[in-house]
Amino acid sequence: GQNIDQPTEMTATEGAIVQINCTYQTSGFNGLFWYQQHAGEAPTFLSYNVLDGLEEKGRFSSFLSRSKGYSYLLLKELQMKDSASYLCASMDSNYQLIWGAGTKLIIKP
Amino acid sequence: GAVVSQHPSRVICKSGTSVKIECRSLDFQATTMFWYRQFPKQSLMLMATSNEGSKATYEQGVEKDKFLINHASLTLSTLTVTSAHPEDSSFYICSAPGEGKYTEAFFGQGTRLTVV
Repeated sequence: GQNIDQPTEMTATEGAIVQINCTYQTSGFNGLFWYQQHAGEAPTFLSYNVLDGLEEKGRFSSFLSRSKGYSYLLLKELQMKDSASYLCASMDSNYQLIWGAGTKLIIKP
Repeated sequence: GAVVSQHPSRVICKSGTSVKIECRSLDFQATTMFWYRQFPKQSLMLMATSNEGSKATYEQGVEKDKFLINHASLTLSTLTVTSAHPEDSSFYICSAPGEGKYTEAFFGQGTRLTVV
């Protein structure tokens, strides 16, 4: 079956670094997406990985290991506005997105 | 980037009535639109895929007679929740795939439906 696992909730301190992990099992693989979702709003796109390795984009970086079915989102220099849910989604062989339940990130001053 | 406009953002309706949610692609043509439902603290659950000019494809367990989807043009897809019940209260979001297969999806703003 298809499955996406990520932690339910994480807490971090303003200015610090946090890593949100995601493991996936999907029928075929056409890339791994990370989205940010604030409460009551639609998700917004953060990153896309299809090759192994690290993609850096400002304060956010995303890593992928296809052989391990594993990805992480790294957030640096955390700001209060980064408090949100972070959704991991794998694109399967039919180009459909399979979504994780999201990780709620709580930032404390 | 591409914009998908979804209306209304919030709606409260009485049990037994119907509610229509619209999603419009503003600066591109969306031949496909995905409709999701999201309950609190849960993942996005794909309900159906609408295709312009043909019948929508519904996911298993989604009642097609209750959730009517129409993709009348290349820029408009609608979801109508018929005979709404309190358990239909949820966050409904549409999204259109980007150009090419390996691009991010573009989401509407979402609709918070409350059935009383």
